[in-house]
Amino acid sequence: QKEVEQDPGPLSVPEGAIVSLNCTYSNSAFQYFMWYRQYSRKGPELLMYTYSSGNKEDGRFTAQVDKSSKYISLFIRDSQPSDSATYLCAMRKGSGGSYIPTFGRGTSLIVHP
Amino acid sequence: DVKVTQSSRYLVKRTGEKVFLECVQDMDHENMFWYRQDPGLGLRLIYFSYDVKMKEKGDIPEGYSVSREKKERFSLILESASTNQTSMYLCASSSPRGSDEKLFFGSGTQLSVL
Repeated sequence: QKEVEQDPGPLSVPEGAIVSLNCTYSNSAFQYFMWYRQYSRKGPELLMYTYSSGNKEDGRFTAQVDKSSKYISLFIRDSQPSDSATYLCAMRKGSGGSYIPTFGRGTSLIVHP
Repeated sequence: DVKVTQSSRYLVKRTGEKVFLECVQDMDHENMFWYRQDPGLGLRLIYFSYDVKMKEKGDIPEGYSVSREKKERFSLILESASTNQTSMYLCASSSPRGSDEKLFFGSGTQLSVL
């Protein structure tokens, strides 16, 4: 079993839909949680960064962490065709642990007009 | 804007060739990384470096080596390329001084080994 599990999709939704992207993990030492977005033929770029449990909102994006369930989510409201990309979750341990994140496989999202 | 530049966008090489992939960052970052990305397998860490002349193996170092002679440059070397090394290679950098230690990625090199 991989440390971080993520459904590769593809997930296809109509423009304006609310999108939910999810990852589960097995290592309870993970403290920092990230979402990267990767457009076709580009490198990933950091979209959201959260520490421990709770929610974080940035515009149309909300990152949610539930450490008790070892489950993280990224919600996209009012999705746009420009949101079409691969979304990778990533996580790493806290102080004293490696600063190198462990990535999920990525979920391909397609938002059609 | 932080820039991580990979020297080639596409490369085609023959089996057995020695291949050099170059990466340069302009943000004075201490940490640099090489990943490969394959469909269905996601990002896998090959090697990383946290300082000049320092290197550490990642999850899949077999068949690869690296060189970091200057802080801004991190090279990935395929000593004898094989067809199973056909992949997208991504370089990244980060700074431990940053509040979130986020990785900045280059645009990738798509390597085909024939």
